[in-house]
Order: sequence, then C-alpha cells, then structure tokens
Amino acid sequence: DAGVIQSPRHEVTEMGQEVTLRCKPISGHNSLFWYRQTMMRGLELLIYFNNNVPIDDSGMPEDRFSAKMPNASFSTLKIQPSEPRDSAVYFCASTPGLHNSPLHFGNGTRLTVT
Amino acid sequence: DQQVKQNSPSLSVQEGRISILNCDYTNSMFDYFLWYKKYPAEGPTFLISISSIKDKNEDGRFTVFLNKSAKHLSLHIVPSQPGDSAVYFCAANGRTGTASKLTFGTGTRLQVTL
Repeated sequence: DAGVIQSPRHEVTEMGQEVTLRCKPISGHNSLFWYRQTMMRGLELLIYFNNNVPIDDSGMPEDRFSAKMPNASFSTLKIQPSEPRDSAVYFCASTPGLHNSPLHFGNGTRLTVT
Repeated sequence: DQQVKQNSPSLSVQEGRISILNCDYTNSMFDYFLWYKKYPAEGPTFLISISSIKDKNEDGRFTVFLNKSAKHLSLHIVPSQPGDSAVYFCAANGRTGTASKLTFGTGTRLQVTL
C-alpha cells in the first residue's frame, strides 16, 4: 500500500500564477479530502468528494480555488490566480468512506507564493 | 469560529513522565473524536479515537478520555518517549453521513526531553 500520494512536495510560485496540486488516493478509498494547514487556523477542510462527486466545498476560500476528481484515482486542487496569503501546506486525505473511518493523509504540498 | 480548540500550542515533558494534551469542543453534534500525530514534513497519522458513548479508550501507552458534559477530551501518553515528540491534533466528527468530515484543532506541539 503506497498510501496517499501528493505532488509536488514543494511549490514556489509568483503571485498571479496558476498552481495545480495533485493527489492520488489509496486504492479502494472512495472519499477524498483536501485540507490546508496554517499556523493560525490549523487544519482546515477545503472540499471533500465521495465517489468522485464533490459533497461539500464550503471550505473553499474563494472562487480562485477549484478542485476536481475526474476518476477514483486522481484529484487536483487548482488556485488561479495565486496570492501570497495562499502560502500554506495543502494535504490530501482519503478514507474508505465508512462513517468514522480514519483519514489517511498524504505528506502534503508546501506552497509558497511570493 | 473554532469548534475544536487546543489552547496549549506547546508542551514540554520529561521522558518517562506523563504527557497530557487537552482539547475542547463547542458543537454538541460531534459524536466521534480522534487524535492525530504529525511529524515534520509528513502528513498527520491516526493515533486513537473515542466514540461519544464511551468516556475512555486505551491503546498501549495512549489513553483518550472524554467528558461530554464539559465538552472536553484529553490524550494521556504514559510513559512519554522522545519519539512521541510531534504535533498532536484533536479532531471531531459529527453525524454527517457516510464520510468522515473531520473538524481539527490547531494542534499542540509536544516535546519530550531526555
């Protein structure tokens, strides 16, 4: 089991540029979550999918953020245009989808927007 | 509005002693609580959980206590070991259906000293 795989591990970009973060969930897991970690707010849920369908995107901060899950093995989180305040660590997590089953997190993407 | 609060950003404990990490929540709809452990440059990993129908759950050196009336839970680690040095996140889940939509606290950094 390779776990949840995120890429890239680090991303440095200039303000105004488009950023795409990628995630491959654990095979067989049908729920996928995108979280953002900051010092002030800890881990915030941005959006989650169940069976590739977005269920709750109320945590997505602005229209500049969008997420897709075209199939069960791949998801993207896009920020366009990026701003310095988007700098954070972005985590993807997956779970089998059963109530209260623990989340399995990837190692995150550290995004720096200058 | 932080529904899950970890008011101690950091804690330092000597090796062999007990570590007690605290967490408070405000949402009475939460019915399942989890602790995650996070090392630098890695994603959070599941540590231990407790359902609201219990007041204690133990797993080796780790015990979680839940006080529903006070909306408070705590994680006890005894004896503490240097490898326990990490950031610990408290998380809560509500009765939201099939997926584990967790609300996280801001974390407590535990340092276990020799």
